[in-house]
Amino acid sequence: DIQMTQSPASLSASLGETVTIECRASEDIYNGLAWYQQKPGKSPQLLIYNANSLHTGVPSRFSGSGSGTQYSLKINSLQSEDVASYFCQQYYDYPTFGGGTKLELK
Amino acid sequence: EVQILETGGGLVKPGGSLRLSCATSGFNFNDYFMNWVRQAPGKGLEWVAQIRNKNYNYATYYAESLEGRVTISRDDSKSSVYLQVSSLRAEDTAIYYCTRSAYGSYFDYWGQGVMVTVSS
Repeated sequence: DIQMTQSPASLSASLGETVTIECRASEDIYNGLAWYQQKPGKSPQLLIYNANSLHTGVPSRFSGSGSGTQYSLKINSLQSEDVASYFCQQYYDYPTFGGGTKLELK
Repeated sequence: EVQILETGGGLVKPGGSLRLSCATSGFNFNDYFMNWVRQAPGKGLEWVAQIRNKNYNYATYYAESLEGRVTISRDDSKSSVYLQVSSLRAEDTAIYYCTRSAYGSYFDYWGQGVMVTVSS
């Protein structure tokens, strides 16, 4: 299995701040990476696929980048509704997820 | 509007079995792969199983940790997918999500999830 290591595990940021979450794969996943947002008590929602493609309806303040084994999710101008947990997932091989990042407001 | 609704969860004794159902609407079910993903309480996400569509001969794939205890199936006439889980253990306690995926195997739509609790 391809292991996904996500960092940080938790993050506290202020409204309007830019936030970056990192994900490292145990081997090259050739941009087969997605990012999800999960709000408390809700199911995950797709944000980004193919490492940098924005899913339908996702605000443009979310962006993804990276290649090889290193990927990141950036949230520009943090809004209160962005408080959530974020997960990366690789699908180059059988799907595996990162451990998640819990984002809170400072 | 894409809609995905899971049913069939509940409390099951260790060693027991359960069949989860997932009814979908709002998209051409025949065009998509379907999956089950689970999340133990307070934990991360774990992909469980995938079933591909007719174009891919309904091929099935399973997480190694569950292989032999789970069976995924689909009924295109009902736009539904199912997960049979047997020999249930306490560590199978989780919310089970039904998800849609395109060929890239990322999950573009999720159901609200169904809780499965394995306890005596």
